[in-house]
Amino acid sequence: AQSVTQLGSHVSVSEGALVLLRCNYSSSVPPYLFWYVQYPNQGLQLLLKYTSAATLVKGINGFEAEFKKSETSFHLTKPSAHMSDAAEYFCAVIPTSGNTGKLIFGQGTTLQVKP
Amino acid sequence: ETGVTQSPTHLIKTRGQQVTLRCSSQSGHNTVSWYQQALGQGPQFIFQYYREEENGRGNFPPRFSGLQFPNYSSELNVNALELDDSALYLCASREEGYPYNEQFFGPGTRLTVL
Repeated sequence: AQSVTQLGSHVSVSEGALVLLRCNYSSSVPPYLFWYVQYPNQGLQLLLKYTSAATLVKGINGFEAEFKKSETSFHLTKPSAHMSDAAEYFCAVIPTSGNTGKLIFGQGTTLQVKP
Repeated sequence: ETGVTQSPTHLIKTRGQQVTLRCSSQSGHNTVSWYQQALGQGPQFIFQYYREEENGRGNFPPRFSGLQFPNYSSELNVNALELDDSALYLCASREEGYPYNEQFFGPGTRLTVL
């Protein structure tokens, strides 16, 4: 079954430092890939998605992610962290087979940004 | 444009009771999905409704059921509540068409089962 692994349940960076959140998927056929952000007591907001077009995907709030088929990875980056980036981040996939739009989420990574 | 709304915000029930959670989809969205997010976990897919029919289901028992209405709003019903049902329940809506169309999430309903 398709699964998503997010390496590191907690990541701490200083304000202005590079943000790198890791995500790997388990599938021989690349799925559709997503990154969502969840602020406390809120629902999820889509940051960006990969749907088999350009491998480098740019999203909102300065985030981007690169799809690497050889590494089955879709890591999320941001060059310079801002205090407002502190939140829970989820990587998710939708298998390309089937058509339910069922999102399969990773366990999440809590991003802490220190002043 | 109104986003996805859910009610109630919080709910406390006891074991064995039944609960109904409600979701209003974003305007123009006819596909609604429900997710369960346990504390410290990623959301898990419960089921999806498209034009009032269930067209996808996750690994949840039959006591989790749903409805979608002609205006595309939706309900999630859970019977015989168990302690492990305590979670944040998220509703998401999207336009029909590609499965990777953006899903817009509501703020969720926090269910506590005592």
